[in-house]
Amino acid sequence: EIVLTQSPGTLSLSPGERATLSCRASQRISSNSLAWYQQKPGQAPSLLIYGASSRATGIPDRFSGSGSGTDFSLTISRLEPEDFAVYYCQQYGSLIVFGQGTRLEIK
Amino acid sequence: QVQLVESGGGVVQPGRSLRLSCEASGFPFRSYGIHWVRQAPGKGLEWVAVIAYDGSYRYFGDSVKGRLTISRDNSQNTVYLQMNSLRLEDTAVYYCAKSLLRGVSPWDAFDMWGQGTMVTVSS
Repeated sequence: EIVLTQSPGTLSLSPGERATLSCRASQRISSNSLAWYQQKPGQAPSLLIYGASSRATGIPDRFSGSGSGTDFSLTISRLEPEDFAVYYCQQYGSLIVFGQGTRLEIK
Repeated sequence: QVQLVESGGGVVQPGRSLRLSCEASGFPFRSYGIHWVRQAPGKGLEWVAVIAYDGSYRYFGDSVKGRLTISRDNSQNTVYLQMNSLRLEDTAVYYCAKSLLRGVSPWDAFDMWGQGTMVTVSS
């Protein structure tokens, strides 16, 4: 089973700064079947990115995904106050596995 | 309104059973696979199960295999998760989620989630 490791565990930044979150897989993920989700307290997760780099419907273009094989990243170009949340990567190339999450907090 | 609504959660003793429901509206339900994902208090996301759009396949995570079953009634736009032999470690919020794409593959991203239903296993 593929294991996803997200880093850092917690990222402290200020609004307006750029955020880069990492997701590393223990094995190559087929067809770049990698998604990113945002979860705010008390809410269900919501899809941001699928296919490693495709934005989901309604997602602002400050969110971008990149990577292939075993190394993937989510970049938020300029942080807005509503972006501070927990972010999960998910691989769906074979079975479904989530990373442990990165908490993005206000510095 | 496009949504998924879970129900059926509650407090149950170890070893007992519980059935969760996920009712869909606002999209062609019978064309999409539906997943269950859980989240223990203060923890991350764990995939639990999937059922194909037509019920032709069902897969489960290792931690629940043999104890949970999943079914769907496309006439009622509803998916069910039957949870048997519940354990303390099954305590979590259970979300149902819709596959992003129509089709046969069970493995997909999730573009719609319900609000979740809490299951607490406690003696």
